[in-house]
Amino acid sequence: GIQVEQSPPDLILQEGANSTLRCNFSDSVNNLQWFHQNPWGQLINLFYIPSGTKQNGRLSATTVATERYSLLYISSSQTTDSGVYFCAVVMKTSYDKVIFGPGTSLSVIP
Amino acid sequence: DSGVTQTPKHLITATGQRVTLRCSPRSGDLSVYWYQQSLDQGLQFLIQYYNGEERAKGNILERFSAQQFPDLHSELNLSSLELGDSALYFCASSPGTSYEQYFGPGTRLTVT
Repeated sequence: GIQVEQSPPDLILQEGANSTLRCNFSDSVNNLQWFHQNPWGQLINLFYIPSGTKQNGRLSATTVATERYSLLYISSSQTTDSGVYFCAVVMKTSYDKVIFGPGTSLSVIP
Repeated sequence: DSGVTQTPKHLITATGQRVTLRCSPRSGDLSVYWYQQSLDQGLQFLIQYYNGEERAKGNILERFSAQQFPDLHSELNLSSLELGDSALYFCASSPGTSYEQYFGPGTRLTVT
Protein backbone atom coordinates (compact mmCIF):
# COMPACT_ATOMS: atom_id res chain seq x y z
CA GLY A 1 0.00 0.00 0.00
CA ILE A 2 0.86 3.66 -0.01
CA GLN A 3 3.57 4.50 2.51
CA VAL A 4 4.81 7.68 4.11
CA GLU A 5 7.81 7.29 6.39
CA GLN A 6 9.60 9.86 8.50
CA SER A 7 12.98 9.72 10.13
CA PRO A 8 14.25 9.94 12.72
CA PRO A 9 11.23 9.14 14.94
CA ASP A 10 12.74 11.08 17.85
CA LEU A 11 15.40 13.76 18.06
CA ILE A 12 16.92 15.63 20.98
CA LEU A 13 18.96 18.73 20.20
CA GLN A 14 20.91 21.26 22.15
CA GLU A 15 19.70 24.78 21.53
CA GLY A 16 21.58 26.26 18.58
CA ALA A 17 22.15 22.96 16.79
CA ASN A 18 21.02 22.17 13.26
CA SER A 19 18.95 19.20 12.14
CA THR A 20 17.54 17.49 9.07
CA LEU A 21 14.23 15.65 9.09
CA ARG A 22 13.32 13.31 6.27
CA CYS A 23 10.05 12.20 4.68
CA ASN A 24 9.97 9.31 2.21
CA PHE A 25 6.92 8.47 0.17
CA SER A 26 6.17 5.48 -1.98
CA ASP A 27 4.55 7.10 -5.01
CA SER A 28 4.43 10.30 -7.05
CA VAL A 29 2.80 13.19 -5.20
CA ASN A 30 0.45 16.00 -6.11
CA ASN A 31 0.86 17.78 -2.80
CA LEU A 32 3.31 17.71 0.08
CA GLN A 33 3.18 19.81 3.20
CA TRP A 34 5.28 20.05 6.34
CA PHE A 35 3.58 20.87 9.65
CA HIS A 36 4.74 21.54 13.17
CA GLN A 37 2.50 20.40 16.00
CA ASN A 38 3.44 22.39 19.07
CA PRO A 39 3.17 21.06 22.62
CA TRP A 40 -0.33 22.59 22.87
CA GLY A 41 -1.54 20.48 19.96
CA GLN A 42 -1.78 23.24 17.38
CA LEU A 43 -0.86 22.25 13.80
CA ILE A 44 1.12 24.98 12.10
CA ASN A 45 1.87 25.14 8.39
CA LEU A 46 5.54 25.24 7.60
CA PHE A 47 5.81 24.59 3.89
CA TYR A 48 3.68 23.60 0.94
CA ILE A 49 6.32 21.97 -1.24
CA PRO A 50 5.37 19.28 -3.77
CA SER A 51 8.71 19.96 -5.48
CA GLY A 52 11.69 22.27 -5.28
CA THR A 53 13.18 24.25 -2.40
CA LYS A 54 11.73 26.89 -0.10
CA GLN A 55 13.10 28.84 2.82
CA ASN A 56 11.43 30.67 5.67
CA GLY A 57 13.80 32.13 8.23
CA ARG A 58 15.67 29.36 10.02
CA LEU A 59 13.65 26.68 8.27
CA SER A 60 13.99 25.40 4.75
CA ALA A 61 12.62 22.44 2.84
CA THR A 62 13.50 20.52 -0.29
CA THR A 63 11.37 17.99 -2.12
CA VAL A 64 12.94 15.75 -4.76
CA ALA A 65 9.79 14.40 -6.32
CA THR A 66 11.58 12.08 -8.77
CA GLU A 67 13.34 10.34 -5.87
CA ARG A 68 10.29 10.42 -3.60
CA TYR A 69 11.61 12.23 -0.57
CA SER A 70 11.45 15.57 1.16
CA LEU A 71 13.81 17.13 3.70
CA LEU A 72 13.11 19.74 6.36
CA TYR A 73 16.12 21.66 7.66
CA ILE A 74 16.05 23.45 11.00
CA SER A 75 19.02 25.67 11.70
CA SER A 76 20.03 27.30 14.99
CA SER A 77 17.27 25.44 16.81
CA GLN A 78 15.36 27.11 19.63
CA THR A 79 13.32 25.63 22.46
CA THR A 80 10.18 26.86 20.71
CA ASP A 81 10.98 24.45 17.84
CA SER A 82 10.07 21.54 20.12
CA GLY A 83 7.10 19.45 19.11
CA VAL A 84 6.24 16.96 16.39
CA TYR A 85 6.98 17.54 12.73
CA PHE A 86 4.70 15.89 10.20
CA CYS A 87 4.83 15.58 6.47
CA ALA A 88 1.53 15.05 4.68
CA VAL A 89 1.15 13.98 1.09
CA VAL A 90 -1.52 13.54 -1.51
CA MET A 91 -0.30 10.95 -3.93
CA LYS A 92 -1.31 10.92 -7.57
CA THR A 93 -2.79 7.45 -7.17
CA SER A 94 -4.67 8.09 -3.93
CA TYR A 95 -7.65 10.03 -5.32
CA ASP A 96 -7.18 13.11 -3.15
CA LYS A 97 -6.75 11.18 0.09
CA VAL A 98 -4.30 12.87 2.42
CA ILE A 99 -1.72 10.68 4.14
CA PHE A 100 0.25 11.87 7.14
CA GLY A 101 3.57 10.41 8.10
CA PRO A 102 4.08 9.18 11.67
CA GLY A 103 6.01 12.33 12.62
CA THR A 104 9.39 13.21 14.11
CA SER A 105 9.28 14.24 17.74
CA LEU A 106 11.82 17.00 18.39
CA SER A 107 12.96 18.20 21.79
CA VAL A 108 15.27 21.21 21.94
CA ILE A 109 16.94 21.60 25.31
CA PRO A 110 18.56 24.79 26.61
CA ASP B 1 -4.32 32.15 13.82
CA SER B 2 -5.05 30.13 10.66
CA GLY B 3 -8.51 31.61 10.14
CA VAL B 4 -10.18 28.20 10.53
CA THR B 5 -12.48 27.97 13.53
CA GLN B 6 -13.75 24.87 15.30
CA THR B 7 -16.31 24.47 18.03
CA PRO B 8 -16.44 23.26 20.69
CA LYS B 9 -12.84 23.16 21.93
CA HIS B 10 -13.54 20.37 24.36
CA LEU B 11 -16.33 17.83 24.57
CA ILE B 12 -16.91 15.16 27.18
CA THR B 13 -19.66 12.64 26.59
CA ALA B 14 -20.65 9.08 27.39
CA THR B 15 -20.47 5.92 25.33
CA GLY B 16 -23.41 5.45 23.01
CA GLN B 17 -24.05 9.17 22.63
CA ARG B 18 -23.97 11.33 19.50
CA VAL B 19 -22.06 14.59 19.05
CA THR B 20 -21.64 17.21 16.33
CA LEU B 21 -18.40 19.05 15.70
CA ARG B 22 -18.45 22.26 13.72
CA CYS B 23 -15.89 23.88 11.42
CA SER B 24 -15.83 27.23 9.66
CA PRO B 25 -13.21 27.45 6.90
CA ARG B 26 -11.06 30.44 6.07
CA SER B 27 -12.82 33.10 4.09
CA GLY B 28 -12.87 32.11 0.42
CA ASP B 29 -11.80 28.50 0.95
CA LEU B 30 -14.05 25.96 -0.74
CA SER B 31 -12.53 22.72 0.58
CA VAL B 32 -12.92 21.37 4.09
CA TYR B 33 -11.08 18.34 5.45
CA TRP B 34 -11.64 16.39 8.65
CA TYR B 35 -8.94 14.49 10.53
CA GLN B 36 -8.77 12.36 13.66
CA GLN B 37 -5.65 12.28 15.83
CA SER B 38 -5.42 9.56 18.43
CA LEU B 39 -2.39 8.31 20.35
CA ASP B 40 -2.32 4.89 18.72
CA GLN B 41 -3.34 5.81 15.15
CA GLY B 42 -1.63 9.12 14.54
CA LEU B 43 -3.24 11.67 12.22
CA GLN B 44 -5.87 10.01 10.05
CA PHE B 45 -7.66 11.66 7.17
CA LEU B 46 -11.43 11.14 7.45
CA ILE B 47 -13.17 13.00 4.64
CA GLN B 48 -12.96 16.01 2.32
CA TYR B 49 -15.71 18.24 0.97
CA TYR B 50 -15.38 20.68 -1.87
CA ASN B 51 -18.05 23.32 -2.40
CA GLY B 52 -20.70 21.19 -0.74
CA GLU B 53 -19.85 17.90 -2.41
CA GLU B 54 -17.93 14.96 -0.96
CA ARG B 55 -14.56 14.86 -2.71
CA ALA B 56 -12.48 12.16 -1.01
CA LYS B 57 -12.99 9.63 1.72
CA GLY B 58 -10.40 8.22 4.07
CA ASN B 59 -10.68 6.02 7.12
CA ILE B 60 -14.06 7.26 8.23
CA LEU B 61 -16.22 4.85 10.19
CA GLU B 62 -19.82 4.22 9.19
CA ARG B 63 -20.89 5.67 12.55
CA PHE B 64 -19.39 8.99 11.45
CA SER B 65 -20.83 11.31 8.84
CA ALA B 66 -20.11 14.82 7.62
CA GLN B 67 -21.59 17.49 5.44
CA GLN B 68 -20.72 20.89 4.07
CA PHE B 69 -23.43 23.51 3.99
CA PRO B 70 -24.11 26.24 1.39
CA ASP B 71 -22.29 28.80 3.54
CA LEU B 72 -19.31 26.37 3.38
CA HIS B 73 -19.16 25.55 7.07
CA SER B 74 -18.96 21.85 7.81
CA GLU B 75 -20.16 19.51 10.53
CA LEU B 76 -18.83 16.12 11.56
CA ASN B 77 -21.37 13.90 13.26
CA LEU B 78 -20.15 11.06 15.47
CA SER B 79 -22.73 8.57 16.72
CA SER B 80 -22.85 5.49 18.93
CA LEU B 81 -19.66 6.74 20.50
CA GLU B 82 -17.12 4.29 21.86
CA LEU B 83 -14.19 4.82 24.21
CA GLY B 84 -11.84 4.46 21.25
CA ASP B 85 -13.36 7.50 19.58
CA SER B 86 -11.68 9.71 22.16
CA ALA B 87 -9.29 11.83 20.12
CA LEU B 88 -8.43 15.25 18.81
CA TYR B 89 -10.52 16.09 15.74
CA PHE B 90 -9.11 18.64 13.34
CA CYS B 91 -10.68 20.49 10.50
CA ALA B 92 -8.63 22.08 7.73
CA SER B 93 -9.52 24.21 4.74
CA SER B 94 -7.95 25.11 1.41
CA PRO B 95 -8.94 27.23 -1.57
CA GLY B 96 -9.47 24.26 -3.86
CA THR B 97 -8.82 20.57 -4.05
CA SER B 98 -5.05 20.56 -4.45
CA TYR B 99 -3.79 23.46 -2.41
CA GLU B 100 -2.13 24.19 0.89
CA GLN B 101 -4.27 23.24 3.87
CA TYR B 102 -4.74 25.38 6.97
CA PHE B 103 -5.73 23.68 10.21
CA GLY B 104 -8.12 24.75 12.90
CA PRO B 105 -7.31 24.46 16.62
CA GLY B 106 -9.10 21.12 16.96
CA THR B 107 -11.85 19.69 19.15
CA ARG B 108 -10.77 17.38 21.93
CA LEU B 109 -13.39 14.65 22.39
CA THR B 110 -13.38 12.49 25.49
CA VAL B 111 -15.76 9.55 25.63
CA THR B 112 -16.27 8.13 29.12
